[in-house]
Amino acid sequence: NAGVTQTPKFQVLKTGQSMTLQCAQDMNHNSMYWYRQDPGMGLRLIYYSASEGTTDKGEVPNGYNVSRLNKREFSLRLESAAPSQTSVYFCASRAPMVRVYQPQHFGDGTRLSIL
Amino acid sequence: KQEVTQIPAALSVPEGENLVLNCSFTDSAIYNLQWFRQDPGKGLTSLLLIQSSQREQTSGRLNASLDKSSGRSTLYIAASQPGDSATYLCASPGGGGSEKLVFGKGTKLTVNP
Repeated sequence: NAGVTQTPKFQVLKTGQSMTLQCAQDMNHNSMYWYRQDPGMGLRLIYYSASEGTTDKGEVPNGYNVSRLNKREFSLRLESAAPSQTSVYFCASRAPMVRVYQPQHFGDGTRLSIL
Repeated sequence: KQEVTQIPAALSVPEGENLVLNCSFTDSAIYNLQWFRQDPGKGLTSLLLIQSSQREQTSGRLNASLDKSSGRSTLYIAASQPGDSATYLCASPGGGGSEKLVFGKGTKLTVNP
C-alpha cells in the first residue's frame, strides 16, 4: 500500500519559472492537503480539499493554485516561482470522520529550491 | 485563533530514560489533539490522536494525555531507545473548522546509546 505519493522529490527552479507538484493517494480518502515546512516556522497549511471538486485556502495561499483532479489526485501549482517559496512541501490526506476524527497521512515531501 | 506551542525545542536523553514532551494550545474548544513523528528527510507519521472526549491514548511505549481545561497535552515515552530519535510534533484543528490543522514547531529528541 503506497499511501500518499508525491512527485518530484527534489526540484530546483529559477525565479519566475512555473511548476506543478503532484500528489496522489490510494487510500480512498476524501480530504487532501498541501503544507509547506520552513525552519523556524513549522508546518503551515497552503490549501486543502475537503472532497472532490472543492478547494479552500489555508494559512498561506498567496502565490499558489491547486487542482483536485479526482478523488486520488491533488496538485499544487506555482505560476511564477519566487525565492520565498523555497521550502519543503508536504501533501496529506485523511479519511472522512465516522463518529471520530481520523488522522492525516503524509507523503515524504518535495524539496523545492528557487534560485 | 488556535496557537500551538512545544517546549523544549530540543531534548537529549540517555537510552532507557522515561521522558515527557509538552504541547500547549490556546483554544480549549478543540476537536482533537494529534501527535506526529518526523524523521529527517521524511514526512510526518501519525502516532496518537486524542479525541476531544478522551483524556488519553496509548500505543506501545507511548502515552498521550489531553487536558483541555489547562490547554495542555503531554506525550510520554517509556524506556526510550535510540530509534526514538526524531522530531515530535503536536497539532490541533483550529481557525474555523476541523480541516485546518495548526502545528507546533516540534521537539527534536535525541536518545543517546
